[in-house]
Amino acid sequence: GAGVSQSPRYKVAKRGQDVALRCDPISGHVSLFWYQQALGQGPEFLTYFQNEAQLDKSGLPSDRFFAERPEGSVSTLKIQRTQQEDSAVYLCASSQVNLDNQPQHFGDGTRLSIL
Amino acid sequence: DAKTTQPNSMESNEEEPVHLPCNHSTISGTDYIHWYRQLPSQGPEYVIHGLTSNVNNRMASLAIAEDRKSSTLILHRATLRDAAVYYCIPHSLSSSGSARQLTFGSGTQLTVLP
Repeated sequence: GAGVSQSPRYKVAKRGQDVALRCDPISGHVSLFWYQQALGQGPEFLTYFQNEAQLDKSGLPSDRFFAERPEGSVSTLKIQRTQQEDSAVYLCASSQVNLDNQPQHFGDGTRLSIL
Repeated sequence: DAKTTQPNSMESNEEEPVHLPCNHSTISGTDYIHWYRQLPSQGPEYVIHGLTSNVNNRMASLAIAEDRKSSTLILHRATLRDAAVYYCIPHSLSSSGSARQLTFGSGTQLTVLP
């Protein structure tokens, strides 16, 4: 009965470096979301996958952000040439097929700090 | 998405009931009302959701106004572990029936006093 798992839990990178954040959703969950949460604010949507298809990436703040879910399970969020404003907690959530408003299950996030 | 208004913060004494209000006057007819909470250093956690009728589960109760323009999350007996930010989120599926992202506001910071 494992929940959504995210790694690493904490990541420190120097400005300009590339980072990759991993999300292991609940087994069998079709939908996968990435959110970004700045300090003191609510999470904000980044992108959404249904199986391996990225159906919505309207929340990605720039083309430096890239997400993939090649086999419809594990997902990776990659940020290239990181900037200080990228410092935030990155949350992953998964849910079953949304036939009747199934809740989203969140991981505990990756706290990214850009120096 | 419907706009929500929640108090920034609330306090409660341990073992007493807590009523967390939310105004969502622009809610659409197909929006469910979801409540999530976020404990410190954790991801948000689903609490409860409903459409029109009041709902109960093991965590909380949700009372929805008849006109659906407001709702109240009820914790029947607050514990120290209930200290968290509580988010009220009107939410529906997309027109194609697929999942949609949650739109979080600022939420209500609940402090539980021992």
